[in-house]
Amino acid sequence: DTAVSQTPKYLVTQMGNDKSIKCEQNLGHDTMYWYKQDSKKFLKIMFSYNNKELIINETVPNRFSPKSPDKAHLNLHINSLELGDSAVYFCASSATVASYEQYFGPGTRLTVT
Amino acid sequence: DQQVKQNSPSLSVQEGRISILNCDYTNSMFDYFLWYKKYPAEGPTFLISISSIKDKNEDGRFTVFLNKSAKHLSLHIVPSQPGDSAVYFCAASDMLSGNEKLTFGTGTRLTIIP
Repeated sequence: DTAVSQTPKYLVTQMGNDKSIKCEQNLGHDTMYWYKQDSKKFLKIMFSYNNKELIINETVPNRFSPKSPDKAHLNLHINSLELGDSAVYFCASSATVASYEQYFGPGTRLTVT
Repeated sequence: DQQVKQNSPSLSVQEGRISILNCDYTNSMFDYFLWYKKYPAEGPTFLISISSIKDKNEDGRFTVFLNKSAKHLSLHIVPSQPGDSAVYFCAASDMLSGNEKLTFGTGTRLTIIP
């Protein structure tokens, strides 16, 4: 059983489009995250949710909107995609907001053309 | 501003020998450190962690050393095995501030030569 799953694994789209990436965890964790790994391999946190409540929002353009329908899911919607959005996006979860041991999904490689 | 640095992008080690991966940080508020391992096309997986109140933590073949005065930590793998070939990320956080954010380094690709 996959602990943290993301769909799709690959996403190729054109500039200006709107796309969503879905994330689900079956670990019973309270906290979920979205990270972006850019071409320079920096892995940076974008958002963090605890029990469906937003707790971290790193200076991310408001074209990015996370949505957490329940604590097992954290989806990422991106409006008006730009070339610079091309990256690998990782979802992660941790047992609680104070637990630093995070479990990552396999990543979604987004390519904007 | 890159607060966590892994200055060696790659490292090759003979199977059976010791692998030493290094990480430096600049933020003196960091008080909790983790190492993650990543295989291609997979997400990072947690390996080992250390609190700033300790200078060493050991888990099987993996040991993490922390030198707070030098703002430096290292991961030792001994003996190295082919399955250890992966990218290793160092991460840090300042727990006391209540900031749950992890700051990652750019990773070191470890290759174990059979």
